[in-house]
Amino acid sequence: GESVGLHLPTLSVQEGDNSIINCAYSNSASDYFIWYKQESGKGPQFIIDIRSNMDKRQGQRVTVLLNKTVKHLSLQIAATQPGDSAVYFCAEGASTYNFNKFYFGSGTKLNVKP
Amino acid sequence: NAGVTQTPKFQVLKTGQSMTLQCAQDMNHEYMSWYRQDPGMGLRLIHYSVGAGITDQGEVPNGYNVSRSTTEDFPLRLLSAAPSQTSVYFCASSSRGHTDTQYFGPGTRLTVL
Repeated sequence: GESVGLHLPTLSVQEGDNSIINCAYSNSASDYFIWYKQESGKGPQFIIDIRSNMDKRQGQRVTVLLNKTVKHLSLQIAATQPGDSAVYFCAEGASTYNFNKFYFGSGTKLNVKP
Repeated sequence: NAGVTQTPKFQVLKTGQSMTLQCAQDMNHEYMSWYRQDPGMGLRLIHYSVGAGITDQGEVPNGYNVSRSTTEDFPLRLLSAAPSQTSVYFCASSSRGHTDTQYFGPGTRLTVL
């Protein structure tokens, strides 16, 4: 559901187009990254993850790119569908850190137009 | 499997009231955690547990208590609710901590008046 005062960046794409959602992370020591999808009124859902020893990882219709030089992460969704409409956020952490050193971004709202 | 379940889905409290948010998982996961999600902010970790009988504080633990008497259940207690605790609360579980897939519950939307 909506939250008063919520101002997430929004990406609007046409159904069938490719979507690219970006995320900047802050900690150069982070070596593990996850993308989540959150539909309205639901809990976050894991999409794909990547470790820092990789710069690209592909899943089903999704690709995550990692640029450690500029601390940037992106999620590419191929042939975007109306069911992809949701908030997408990234999370960063270090695999050697304690559980409480994992940080989540606030997200980007993807709006797919039919 | 039901996955991660949370109750209630919605709750309204008055300042000073106490209540317990319930969380249960049927995947035999060792790790469980509670997050809050506020407008324009990412999920923030409140408390977590790495196994029955073991809990630890996250980023924002003040005003909340947890216990883990069984692998399945991880209740979150608000001791004396404050308006600042108005939020959406998510419980999550995983088998090996944050580097393994976390499964999130559907959330509890809490309003404190």
